[in-house]
Amino acid sequence: NAGVTQTPKFQVLKTGQSMTLQCAQDMNHEYMSWYRQDPGMGLRLIHYSVGAGITDQGEVPNGYNVSRSTTEDFPLRLLSAAPSQTSVYFCASSYDPEETQYFGPGTRLLVL
Amino acid sequence: AQSVAQPEDQVNVAEGNPLTVKCTYSVSGNPYLFWYVQYPNRGLQFLLKYITGDNLVKGSYGFEAEFNKSQTSFHLKKPSALVSDSALYFCAVRDRGTYKYIFGTGTRLKVLA
Repeated sequence: NAGVTQTPKFQVLKTGQSMTLQCAQDMNHEYMSWYRQDPGMGLRLIHYSVGAGITDQGEVPNGYNVSRSTTEDFPLRLLSAAPSQTSVYFCASSYDPEETQYFGPGTRLLVL
Repeated sequence: AQSVAQPEDQVNVAEGNPLTVKCTYSVSGNPYLFWYVQYPNRGLQFLLKYITGDNLVKGSYGFEAEFNKSQTSFHLKKPSALVSDSALYFCAVRDRGTYKYIFGTGTRLKVLA
């Protein structure tokens, strides 16, 4: 199993540009989530999904959209990037919310 | 509202000495509690969790943690630290009534040779 994969590994955007961070898992996990990691802030939950077609907001959802059309994929969309969205983004999955979360390697995003 | 506190930004310990990384939490109900470790430029890796049962939880790499309901704490411990334990450690909590995880701000552990 590849586990949780994220692409790209690194991205530079200009303010106002849009992009999609990709996340995929091959473990048939129902629960998937997106976090951002900022110095001194730990990990903060952006959005999560408990199954295909079901998503909900986390702690810091503003400026981000998600969808879950398949069990495997959970893309994160930035509609109009802002410098405040400069961060490292992690995707995670688990079989159900009580179980261990498996994290992807992260995407480092720089918004100029 | 749920919250997690890791009061120490950094913990330094000599190799071979016991280590403790502190975590306290606040949730409205009974919590699920987790510890994760992050090595440089890597994603987080699971160490251990408390769901129910024995208050002392044993996890990966010789780590353990004790759930203390009265003190709302879940401190991470290891009897004898290794230089390779040096990393960033995160405590996380989930209220059983929600699907949302809350992570602490992280504690950097530095084990000195």
